[in-house]
Amino acid sequence: KQEVTQIPAALSVPEGENLVLNCSFTDSAIYNLQWFRQDPGKGLTSLLLIQSSQREQTSGRLNASLDKSSGRSTLYIAASQPGDSATYLCAVTGGSYIPTFGRGTSLIVHP
Amino acid sequence: NAGVTQTPKFQVLKTGQSMTLQCAQDMNHEYMSWYRQDPGMGLRLIHYSVGAGITDQGEVPNGYNVSRSTTEDFPLRLLSAAPSQTSVYFCASSPIAGRATDTQYFGPGTRLTVL
Repeated sequence: KQEVTQIPAALSVPEGENLVLNCSFTDSAIYNLQWFRQDPGKGLTSLLLIQSSQREQTSGRLNASLDKSSGRSTLYIAASQPGDSATYLCAVTGGSYIPTFGRGTSLIVHP
Repeated sequence: NAGVTQTPKFQVLKTGQSMTLQCAQDMNHEYMSWYRQDPGMGLRLIHYSVGAGITDQGEVPNGYNVSRSTTEDFPLRLLSAAPSQTSVYFCASSPIAGRATDTQYFGPGTRLTVL
């Protein structure tokens, strides 16, 4: 059974810092890995999707990398802003085509 | 496109009552699913569907029923509500099950309290 772990569970940083959020998974036979953002009381919004054949994806200040062989992905946030405060979740989809979610990293960026 | 819509946004039930959480998408997606999100437990899959007329159980299906009579709609029925079903429920959809390029789209959620 696929297991997804996200470290750290919570993070509080001052504005302007560059951040790295980590996601690890136990079964490397995946179709893709997605990073989502969830604001309090809201649904999940997709940030980046990395297919299994890709190594990284970028969108603005966000960069996500994937190392299938080691079962790891990182989400890099450059020059963090208070508006980045949210919970970030990763999800991996494998042969069952059902995504497995991590429990998320709760991020607070303070001015 | 409205995307994925869920109704109601909030609901309070008494133990033993039944109700249906509605989910609809207007993107012609084949794959739809229901999750519940509880503090410290993350997102857990309840039921999913890979197309109209096809449904299957997820990780925590007990106490819930689903049907998929149309591509657009995927209602979740609570048969006899219990306090353990107090949670936030999310519906999600994606174009095709298992295609590597497809992302999931989530609805805004239904916050359910069972007294």
